[in-house]
Amino acid sequence: SAVISQKPSRDICQRGTSLTIQCQVDSQVTMMFWYRQQPGQSLTLIATANQGSEATYESGFVIDKFPISRPNLTFSTLTVSNMSPEDSSIYLCSARQGSETQYFGPGTRLLVL
Amino acid sequence: RKEVEQDPGPFNVPEGATVAFNCTYSNSASQSFFWYRQDCRKEPKLLMSVYSSGNEDGRFTAQLNRASQYISLLIRDSKLSDSATYLCVVNSDRGSTLGRLYFGRGTQLTVWP
Repeated sequence: SAVISQKPSRDICQRGTSLTIQCQVDSQVTMMFWYRQQPGQSLTLIATANQGSEATYESGFVIDKFPISRPNLTFSTLTVSNMSPEDSSIYLCSARQGSETQYFGPGTRLLVL
Repeated sequence: RKEVEQDPGPFNVPEGATVAFNCTYSNSASQSFFWYRQDCRKEPKLLMSVYSSGNEDGRFTAQLNRASQYISLLIRDSKLSDSATYLCVVNSDRGSTLGRLYFGRGTQLTVWP
């Protein structure tokens, strides 16, 4: 199994600012993902983080708003840029090795005022 | 139409009850199916995979009907600790993201003493 840590675990931010969330996996994984989960809602995939190249974004998400880095097989960052209250959510990092089980980090709770 | 549809509940059952959750998916080419469990304010964790022949893990039984594109989870002899949100998850290749997971909204279960 993979153990995933995220930081910060939570933050309260002012609108117009940016926050970078870090995700660390305890083993090398082929695939890393970033999800968003709003209260009472399902998980929505933001993007697949690709090592050494640009992330693959899902419909409705763009690189300017959610820049993602993945410099190696165990680490990724997601930045929420120019935040607005609508960005308040839980952001979850996820990782999978090939076709094996997909694991999730504990999430980052973001509140934008 | 959403990729994965679930009855959100909530289901409120007494200890010892049997409860069943259902889920439908829209992509007939989906390859893999799972039930994840998400406790309040926690990340999703894999409960069990779902196989075509049906599978059982203790008090939990999962079944898949590919013809009807229908997945079910049966919990027998409910325990207080079963209280959580149960997420129906389908793995499909669609667009540029290979093998991505699609999540249902989740079905909330509360087991009371």
